[in-house]
Amino acid sequence: DAGVIQSPRHEVTEMGQEVTLRCKPISGHNSLFWYRQTMMRGLELLIYFNNNVPIDDSGMPEDRFSAKMPNASFSTLKIQPSEPRDSAVYFCASSMIEGTEAFFGQGTRLTVV
Amino acid sequence: LAKTTQPISMDSYEGQEVNITCSHNNIATNDYITWYQQFPSQGPRFIIQGYKTKVTNEVASLFIPADRKSSTLSLPRVSLSDTAVYYCLVGEGYGNKLVFGAGTILRVKS
Repeated sequence: DAGVIQSPRHEVTEMGQEVTLRCKPISGHNSLFWYRQTMMRGLELLIYFNNNVPIDDSGMPEDRFSAKMPNASFSTLKIQPSEPRDSAVYFCASSMIEGTEAFFGQGTRLTVV
Repeated sequence: LAKTTQPISMDSYEGQEVNITCSHNNIATNDYITWYQQFPSQGPRFIIQGYKTKVTNEVASLFIPADRKSSTLSLPRVSLSDTAVYYCLVGEGYGNKLVFGAGTILRVKS
């Protein structure tokens, strides 16, 4: 398996634009997590899904952020409109509900100017 | 979720054993203790998980005392490539949210 695949790896956008980050979890994994990492705030859990259903989105910073998981092999994190303070590295991770470890993607480095 | 406390940073030299301790006074009966490692510009990577006593794998050992209010990650004979951030997580583990704290920055020097 290729592991968790995130795209794009880098994204530079202007303030006010819509940004969509994509994640393909490892096949057979049924939990999916979205994280945001900055120097100031560390690694923050934004939302996680079990069997494609959002279980906890209490970490989503505000209504500008939304996440979907239309099927077991794909998830998106959307920011609309984007702001400079959204600049961060966004990680997606997946695991088996019955498993012991989560596997992380390489991350998407988002820069909002 | 149980709150975890780790040292902010640690320094070591190549070939030494490194022990990183994590405090989790409010750990619940169903909680497991999990450690992750993160290198710059990469996502965290699972190292080890345990519930009680001692767990060992090819990378590290995890020591958990009987009261489970703390745990110690032991890295034998570290090398420069072990320089990373190490996170201690406490939670039910299976299918539940993984919440990362600030982690411990380990710097290994030659």
